[in-house]
Amino acid sequence: EIVLTQSPGTLSLSPGERATLSCGASQTVNNYYLAWYQQKPGQAPRLLIYGASSRATDIPDRFSGSGSGTEFSLTISRLEAEDFAVYFCQQYGSSPWTFGQGTKVEIK
Amino acid sequence: EVQLVESGGGLVQPGDFLRLSCAASGFTFSIHWMTWVRQAPGKGLEWVANIKHDGSEKYYVDSVKGRFTISRDNAKKSLYLQMTSLGADDTAVYYCARDACGTGDCRYNFFDHWGQGTQVTVSS
Repeated sequence: EIVLTQSPGTLSLSPGERATLSCGASQTVNNYYLAWYQQKPGQAPRLLIYGASSRATDIPDRFSGSGSGTEFSLTISRLEAEDFAVYFCQQYGSSPWTFGQGTKVEIK
Repeated sequence: EVQLVESGGGLVQPGDFLRLSCAASGFTFSIHWMTWVRQAPGKGLEWVANIKHDGSEKYYVDSVKGRFTISRDNAKKSLYLQMTSLGADDTAVYYCARDACGTGDCRYNFFDHWGQGTQVTVSS
């Protein structure tokens, strides 16, 4: 099973700042099969990025994904109020499909 | 609008069983693989099981094999998770999620729509 480790656990930033979240995999993730989700308290996860760098439908372009192999990242170029949430990465290249433990982006 | 609405969660005792349901609307249910994902309190997400659009293939995470059964009824646009021999480690919010591939017999294994979840608590 591929273990995904996200860092940092918590990111304290102000609106307008840039956020960079990391997701490290214990083994190579095949074919860039890495997705990112956003989850707000009491809500379902929302797909942001798939294929490591492709934005899902209706996702603003301030969200971008990059990386390959075992190192991936999600960047939010300028944080807006609605972006403060928990973010999870997920690999879907090898079964079982696994998720990271999450990074919380909180208001500083 | 795509909607997934889970139901059937609750408080049960160790060793009990429970059946979760997920009612789908707003899309062609019968062409999508469907998935159950759970989230234990304060923890990350865990893929539990998924099922092919026609129900002919089913896959499970090792920790639930032999105890959980995923099924679907395309006529009713519904997904189910039958859970038996429940233990404290099964305590979680259970989400129903749609596989992002929607062009027939395909599967992407990432999920573009999720329900709000149903809480399952296993405690004596």
